[in-house]
Amino acid sequence: DTGVSQDPRHKITKRGQNVTFRCDPISEHNRLYWYRQTLGQGPEFLTYFQNEAQLEKSRLLSDRFSAERPKGSFSTLEIQRTEQGDSAMYLCASSLATGAGNYGYTFGSGTRLTVV
Amino acid sequence: SQQGEEDPQALSIQEGENATMNCSYKTSINNLQWYRQNSGRGLVHLILIRSNEREKHSGRLRVTLDTSKKSSSLLITASRAADTASYFCATDSGAQKLVFGQGTRLTINP
Repeated sequence: DTGVSQDPRHKITKRGQNVTFRCDPISEHNRLYWYRQTLGQGPEFLTYFQNEAQLEKSRLLSDRFSAERPKGSFSTLEIQRTEQGDSAMYLCASSLATGAGNYGYTFGSGTRLTVV
Repeated sequence: SQQGEEDPQALSIQEGENATMNCSYKTSINNLQWYRQNSGRGLVHLILIRSNEREKHSGRLRVTLDTSKKSSSLLITASRAADTASYFCATDSGAQKLVFGQGTRLTINP
């Protein structure tokens, strides 16, 4: 296991198109997170899953955004009807949550989305 | 929403000097973590300090935590050109996710 993988690394799309990103977490990790990062800012939380259950969604996650983790392994983040404001780096992270705490946060290299 | 405020926003120093970055946060925390991000890349975990710890070291990194002031600092000693990056603090307040500051952009001049 080489860490958290994200695909694609870069995506350029025309405004109004739909895009889908994939994240493969560390296999032993039960939690998976999506963050968005715009230029010069820190990552902002979007949503997270524990196994296949989506437990929290940020208000940043408008109804054009949907995330899934169907089998508790990889996750997809879809953005419908993209807007120029969606241009950002989308980061995925995974961790192992136990009764003792939440450990081993590991981030992927991100998917950079450019909406033209 | 961003929990942490980092200071300074940008820092430029000469190679070999020490770099200090500060982070303030608003709510009580379980732990605070520092991450590095090279331009256009993902985040790399540097160090985690728990709320009951006051100082932690890892190689050339030294982190302090003052829960009474809700602040932390990251010191990088004997800086190198390869340390050029953005540095973020992130807090785990038991709310099931990390909340990041806006980061300090560090430039090491040769």
